[in-house]
Amino acid sequence: SQTIHQWPATLVQPVGSPLSLECTVEGTSNPNLYWYRQAAGRGLQLLFYSVGIGQISSEVPQNLSASRPQDRQFILSSKKLLLSDSGFYLCAWTGQNYGYTFGSGTRLTVV
Amino acid sequence: SQKIEQNSEALNIQEGKTATLTCNYTNYSPAYLQWYRQDPGRGPVFLLLIRENEKEKRKERLKVTFDTTLKQSLFHITASQPADSATYLCALGSSGGYQKVTFGTGTKLQVIP
Repeated sequence: SQTIHQWPATLVQPVGSPLSLECTVEGTSNPNLYWYRQAAGRGLQLLFYSVGIGQISSEVPQNLSASRPQDRQFILSSKKLLLSDSGFYLCAWTGQNYGYTFGSGTRLTVV
Repeated sequence: SQKIEQNSEALNIQEGKTATLTCNYTNYSPAYLQWYRQDPGRGPVFLLLIRENEKEKRKERLKVTFDTTLKQSLFHITASQPADSATYLCALGSSGGYQKVTFGTGTKLQVIP
């Protein structure tokens, strides 16, 4: 069966520090992968999606970047975090006939 | 611009009753609509997908309707239980694959024993 792993679960980082969140998927090949952010009281905001290795589409220009170095690995990064980067970050993948499968999320607090 | 509206106020309902949640949208012609459940501190969990040419879909105690004329979807939970308490999100997707959807902000459901 397909599983999605996301880590870390929580992260507290100072302003200006770098960020790296990793997501891996098991049990499927060539998945569509996504990074979402959910701010308190707000909906899910699509940040990046990828349909294959090295193929990244950005939905919102901002302080973040994404990379897909392997078929089932998706990384969200930042060189210098801002206070506004705080939020709940979710990785997800989609199959052919189902909705999104989300990871357990990373709660990022920038202080 | 595209807009998805879900009742931002929490919905409180007595155990055993039917809960009905609403998802309205404007400036959008979705090819399909999805419903998700999200518990606090967790990622959303996919529940149901309904396509634009489908009027209704059921899964166990769940029923979803999709009215493209009214631009509205209704999500029903029959015989509600306290364990159904969660936030429910609707999401709309365009044709051309399952690549991207737009999520609503969700409605929090509280089932009271």
